[in-house]
Amino acid sequence: AQSVTQLDSQVPVFEEAPVELRCNYSSSVSVYLFWYVQYPNQGLQLLLKYLSGSTLVKGINGFEAEFNKSQTSFHLRKPSVHISDTAEYFCAVGSGTYKYIFGTGTRLKVLA
Amino acid sequence: DTGVSQNPRHKITKRGQNVTFRCDPISEHNRLYWYRQTLGQGPEFLTYFQNEAQLEKSRLLSDRFSAERPKGSFSTLEIQRTEQGDSAMYLCASSRFGTGPSYEQYFGPGTRLTVT
Repeated sequence: AQSVTQLDSQVPVFEEAPVELRCNYSSSVSVYLFWYVQYPNQGLQLLLKYLSGSTLVKGINGFEAEFNKSQTSFHLRKPSVHISDTAEYFCAVGSGTYKYIFGTGTRLKVLA
Repeated sequence: DTGVSQNPRHKITKRGQNVTFRCDPISEHNRLYWYRQTLGQGPEFLTYFQNEAQLEKSRLLSDRFSAERPKGSFSTLEIQRTEQGDSAMYLCASSRFGTGPSYEQYFGPGTRLTVT
C-alpha cells in the first residue's frame, strides 16, 4: 500500500527567507509524485510533478523539489518566500490505478 | 480550456436531506475523479470514471453515496440521508487517460457541504 507523510503540520517563516516542506512516501512500485497548493476555500493547484528523468523538478512560483529514491523523499523548497505563498501545501503520490494518495498537508505561514 | 467547474460552491443542508453536486471536467479529459477533504486533512479518494464507466470506488463511499457520469462528460455525486459526518469539501478532478504528462489531475474549486 502507498502512503504519504508530511511531518510538519505548520511551518512559519519570515518573508524572503528560504523554506523547505518535507514529504516522505512509501510505495512498492514506481511512483509519480506531486506537490499541490491550496488557498483558503479553493481547489488544488499543481505546483510541480515528478514523473521520471531528472530528480530536480522546477515548478511554478519559484518552487522546486528533489526526488530522492533512496530516502523516499520529495521535499519542496523555495529560496525566498513571499507573503502570497501563505497557503496549505499537499504532497501526493500516484501510480497504478491513477488515484492520488495525499498527505495531511503543511500550512505555510509567511510572516512580515 | 476553462478548467474543471463544480456546482454549487457551497451547500448547507439539514441532516437527513439528499444533496447532489455536479462536476464539469475539462472537455477533452476522459477520466474524472471525486475526492473528499475534511478540515485539516488532505483529500481522500472516493471514486473515478473512465468515460462513463465507474472503475473504482473507495470504501469511504457508503451506500448513501452514488456517483454517475452518464454520457462520459459531466458527473454528479449524490448523498442520500445526509449525516453531520458528511460535512466536508468535495473535490472533482479530471485527467486524460495515458502516461506521462497526461497523467496529471486538474482539480476544480470544490463544493463545500455543511450538514446541520
